[in-house]
Amino acid sequence: DTEVTQTPKHLVMGMTNKKSLKCEQHMGHRAMYWYKQKAKKPPELMFVYSYEKLSINESVPSRFSPECPNSSLLNLHLHALQPEDSALYLCASSPPGGPGSYNEQFFGPGTRLTVL
Amino acid sequence: KQEVTQIPAALSVPEGENLVLNCSFTDSAIYNLQWFRQDPGKGLTSLLLIQSSQREQTSGRLNASLDKSSGRSTLYIAASQPGDSATYLCAVRPITGFQKLVFGTGTRLLVSP
Repeated sequence: DTEVTQTPKHLVMGMTNKKSLKCEQHMGHRAMYWYKQKAKKPPELMFVYSYEKLSINESVPSRFSPECPNSSLLNLHLHALQPEDSALYLCASSPPGGPGSYNEQFFGPGTRLTVL
Repeated sequence: KQEVTQIPAALSVPEGENLVLNCSFTDSAIYNLQWFRQDPGKGLTSLLLIQSSQREQTSGRLNASLDKSSGRSTLYIAASQPGDSATYLCAVRPITGFQKLVFGTGTRLLVSP
């Protein structure tokens, strides 16, 4: 299995809703990432998990809450989002990184989120 | 701070042409450089990964080169096809802050039949 899967593909939610995005990989990768991508822009890093521990939070608002229950699964919990949070949310994974490591990053198909 | 630029921002060519996409980065202290393809509304597909010690990588009709000292990479696409139409992104993995890829702004390619 050489892919990253994401569910759902599309999500429409109101500003008072609570929803979750799910990401899964079975490549044995120990680093997992959440990115946000607006139209015609490159992906922006949100969070990085390394060995199931949060290692990077790019000053993301607390209405986005990541969770890594195990080495294969990454969730992004959403609560009280704003319309400007509408975007494509991408998950990625890579073999564990560190000095001297050379790791290719693999992306999932994304979840298209619309906040009304 | 590492900055990555891609030129041109958009490119339109007829089918069959060979073409070159450019990527430049400001800090040569990188572990690797990765080229991605993205179709509209879809995720990123990894095309090629070049380690900092390598000069080029090839996959089918794609060839990517890396000149780390000058901060440049090129993606060469031979005999372009309409199915190559997509946005192409390059990204570097810096030595400082290696967990974060730094993306370029992308080149939108349209190949006409």
